[in-house]
Parts: sequence; structure tokens; C-alpha cells
Amino acid sequence: GAVVSQHPSRVICKSGTSVKIECRSLDFQATTMFWYRQFPKQSLMLMATSNEGSKATYEQGVEKDKFLINHASLTLSTLTVTSAHPEDSSFYICSAEARHYGYTFGSGTRLTVV
Amino acid sequence: AQSVTQLDSQVPVFEEAPVELRCNYSSSVSVYLFWYVQYPNQGLQLLLKYLSGSTLVKGINGFEAEFNKSQTSFHLRKPSVHISDTAEYFCAVSEGRGSTLGRLYFGRGTQLTVWP
Repeated sequence: GAVVSQHPSRVICKSGTSVKIECRSLDFQATTMFWYRQFPKQSLMLMATSNEGSKATYEQGVEKDKFLINHASLTLSTLTVTSAHPEDSSFYICSAEARHYGYTFGSGTRLTVV
Repeated sequence: AQSVTQLDSQVPVFEEAPVELRCNYSSSVSVYLFWYVQYPNQGLQLLLKYLSGSTLVKGINGFEAEFNKSQTSFHLRKPSVHISDTAEYFCAVSEGRGSTLGRLYFGRGTQLTVWP
């Protein structure tokens, strides 16, 4: 089956630094990658949608300069949280879409900014 | 835009009892329907999906769901739950177009807690 590998699973960083989260699709090509943010006890909030080789489409209210998304290849998408602050602490999840597989989710990244 | 309503935020149930987690959606077009399970600090795992065909869909771990177009519902059921079914369950909908499934719209989630 389709697998999406997401790293790191947990990261603690200092306020003001940047953090990069990677999602790789294994054994399939992800034409579209979705990035979500999830607060405790809440549902997933879509942050942005990215297609390989083009700029990401951000949802309303999501700062594109703060949450940089790169989808340079059909198997790799990255989310960089720039100048992180404590309010950016959250659980971030990626999801890849491939027509025959549907959606496959990464295992998530717990970001804690101190 | 789609909206997905999961009517129950929490469902407590005893082990081996049946359970139904309710999901309704709003759409005037054809949709694809999904149920996902999430364990603490993990991503989402697909339980089952409805894309077309039979309205009764069977998934993993003994779960099943029935697509009811007239009631715009996609309720999840299991005849006998286990302690290990304790988790958060999300209903989701997409409006596929052409070669893409499109973005997913999620319900707020239902916390299923199974007691011994």
C-alpha cells in the first residue's frame, strides 16, 4: 500500500528559529500534498495544498511567509515554520493524494516551541 | 464549501457492545466519503471509504458504514467493540473532479472510549 513517511515525529526548538518538516511518498507519486495543523482535541485544519512544481495554495488566514511549503518533486514535500513562536506549537500532518490510492497521511510531527 | 457534521463529540461504550458514530454532510453534488481513525500522537489511518457502487462499505477492524444519499449520511458502525478501538474518529468528505479527489473536509471528530 501507499506510505507517506513524515519526519521528524517530534521536534523542540527555540523561539525565533526555523523548523523543517519533510514528507516523502514511498512507492508512489504524490501529485498533490496537503498540509494540516491540529490543535489538541480538535479536528484537522487545512493549511495549504501543493502540487508538484508549482506554488502552494494557502487557506485563508494562513501566513505563507511563515509556513513555507516546497513540493519540488513528486515524492517530497516540505513545510518550514520560519521564526517559530510558542503559538506555532502544534501537531502538523501531511497527506498525499494519488488517484488510485486516495489519501495517505503521514504520522505527524509534534512541534514544541520554547 | 462542504460541511461535515459529527453529531457526537464523545461516545462512551462498554466492551463488546455495538456502536454507531454519526456523520452527516452537506452537498448537492456527488461526493466521496471517508472514515479515519487517529490514535494519540499519530497520523490518520483509513478505516473505509465510499467512492461508488454498493452503499454498504466494509472496512478494517470490523467497521462498516452505509452511505445514505437521501439523508446525506455516512454513519460508522461496529457490532462489538474492543478496548483497542478507543481512539478519535473523523468523518471526511471530498468532491472529486476529473482525475483528482480534491481536498478533504473533516468533521470535528468523535472520541470513542471503550470501557471494560
